[in-house]
Amino acid sequence: SQQGEEDPQALSIQEGENATMNCSYKTSINNLQWYRQNSGRGLVHLILIRSNEREKHSGRLRVTLDTSKKSSSLLITASRAADTASYFCATDASEKLVFGKGTKLTVNP
Amino acid sequence: ETGVTQTPRHLVMGMTNKKSLKCEQHLGHNAMYWYKQSAKKPLELMFVYSLEERVENNSVPSRFSPECPNSSHLFLHLHTLQPEDSALYLCASSQEIRGRDEQYFGPGTRLTVT
Repeated sequence: SQQGEEDPQALSIQEGENATMNCSYKTSINNLQWYRQNSGRGLVHLILIRSNEREKHSGRLRVTLDTSKKSSSLLITASRAADTASYFCATDASEKLVFGKGTKLTVNP
Repeated sequence: ETGVTQTPRHLVMGMTNKKSLKCEQHLGHNAMYWYKQSAKKPLELMFVYSLEERVENNSVPSRFSPECPNSSHLFLHLHTLQPEDSALYLCASSQEIRGRDEQYFGPGTRLTVT
């Protein structure tokens, strides 16, 4: 069953702008991970946030987690054309990851 | 993608063919996974192996048959597939089967069933 669901499904911005993607989930989690996928390629891990953390940073990435609302957001600051990809959240369910459908981000030069 | 390789990268097969997908991880991980990615659908977990033992089969049709001869290699044997099986098949590995473990993905095999 689907656990994480990203929003929006697609996002188009100009280079230099910030991009925000959201993930909502249904059941309690221990961790939430964000992954990135370039077109037709495998997924690449970006960041993991634990259920007792509220915010985490990695370079231009900022992830927040609100367990009371069962939601997370991924913010990419000062976006670049190379950030064009699909972004997925994944929640741990019975020790395995359950992925959402993803947000397709297009960064226009 | 680094550390996990998949071959072939593209495969076209007829419904009566038999083919195999291969995955190899060079990371010393104990867990390996097969996922199916279809357009506009979430990533579907198909099989999970831990130390060469299958620990999960997510109601996958028997026309998909996994094999894990050792902790570094994973195969997916395909036979009498249907057109709806056309998808990107992704292999992944992780240190253990734990929700806190990062998964490392291969580049995938783009499968087309004609």
